[in-house]
Amino acid sequence: AQKITQTQPGMFVQEKEAVTLDCTYDTSDPSYGLFWYKQPSSGEMIFLIYQGSYDQQNATEGRYSLNFQKARKSANLVISASQLGDSAMYFCAMREWDGAQKLVFGQGTRLTINP
Amino acid sequence: NAGVTQTPKFQVLKTGQSMTLQCAQDMNHEYMSWYRQDPGMGLRLIHYSVGAGITDQGEVPNGYNVSRSTTEDFPLRLLSAAPSQTSVYFCASKLRTGGVNTEAFFGQGTRLTVV
Repeated sequence: AQKITQTQPGMFVQEKEAVTLDCTYDTSDPSYGLFWYKQPSSGEMIFLIYQGSYDQQNATEGRYSLNFQKARKSANLVISASQLGDSAMYFCAMREWDGAQKLVFGQGTRLTINP
Repeated sequence: NAGVTQTPKFQVLKTGQSMTLQCAQDMNHEYMSWYRQDPGMGLRLIHYSVGAGITDQGEVPNGYNVSRSTTEDFPLRLLSAAPSQTSVYFCASKLRTGGVNTEAFFGQGTRLTVV
């Protein structure tokens, strides 16, 4: 079963607008972590933000925030005031509390910021 | 501090050839892993290691071997390359301590084409 689902293959947003990238997850483990990574056209994976399953508040890192709705099992990434440099692939990932602590990734969303 | 270093960055192989993708990290991370990235499928785990001398299979291990003789190095061996192994390969590492909430650091990726 798909553990991480990103339902938006592509999104187009005007510069300076806010954008929400969707991510839903599936786990029966009460302890887990959710991550967002950015992959620009150069190919590297850049860590953006983390949310723990026990965190009471939504995570924020600069222009990035994570809208964590535990009951709905969703962990959407919100980018405020988008910039041209935000154009990239974005991956949602989850790590469960097992010995291996493996990361499981979604299929990704390609975000394009238009000037 | 170089982080996670992958070599080579690009490689073209003929069907049936073997080769080793190198991965080295200088952060003294216990956990290391290999992923492959194919279009529309996100990153999928090939093999991982929780420490020197310990390796295990991920989601798509067939056709690949790994070993972990030192903390720093985690090479990925393609035994007999097939066109289906054309992909971008990422090596990642993370600390064991901190549990689910520690980010993984990724190498720059190796783009492999099998003809």
